[in-house]
Amino acid sequence: DADVTQTPRNRITKTGKRIMLECSQTKGHDRMYWYRQDPGLGLRLIYYSFDVKDINKGEISDGYSVSRQAQAKFSLSLESAIPNQTALYFCATSEGGRTEAFFGQGTRLTVV
Amino acid sequence: DAKTTQPTSMDCAEGRAANLPCNHSTISGNEYVYWYRQIHSQGPQYIIHGLKNNETNEMASLIITEDRKSSTLILPHATLRDTAVYYCIAPPYNTDKLIFGTGTRLQVFP
Repeated sequence: DADVTQTPRNRITKTGKRIMLECSQTKGHDRMYWYRQDPGLGLRLIYYSFDVKDINKGEISDGYSVSRQAQAKFSLSLESAIPNQTALYFCATSEGGRTEAFFGQGTRLTVV
Repeated sequence: DAKTTQPTSMDCAEGRAANLPCNHSTISGNEYVYWYRQIHSQGPQYIIHGLKNNETNEMASLIITEDRKSSTLILPHATLRDTAVYYCIAPPYNTDKLIFGTGTRLQVFP
């Protein structure tokens, strides 16, 4: 089983719909992240959480919200999806303290 | 955050060393340099990180200049499977907020 699991892997949704992307990890890490990647571009940080009670906005948080339900779970929501939120979304975790981050396999979201 | 600058793309012949440069002239004394790579559209994969000493692991070597303003990731014997986008990152001190740029697209050819 993967250390960082994202669900769904692919999703097509309509404009205006609410959608939730889920991330769970078995690494026991405190820190979790959500990134967005557009074609040909690098990853941009949406939100990050350093523990269950700590949620922080990243570079591009507008239009998104997150929930840290437990140490192992970090969900990203689009309250009212719009076409320019079509992208590849990645979740990541890290232990903190100068250690590597582990990424999920991504969720490809298409908003039509 | 220390800004990093990388070439947009590079080519390397299979079996040869791939040397990927990164400029981080605004890095502060306690900020580490990390390297990740992304193969096709998979999740990024950690490669190596360092502060001021050169580092080596089973994947690569990291050479950091004495003034710490630049570094080079070395893949000693590149293979076709090393074709990927390579990201150089210098997160702020005491945080793991990883900010990715656009990276270097390395193409390894036969």
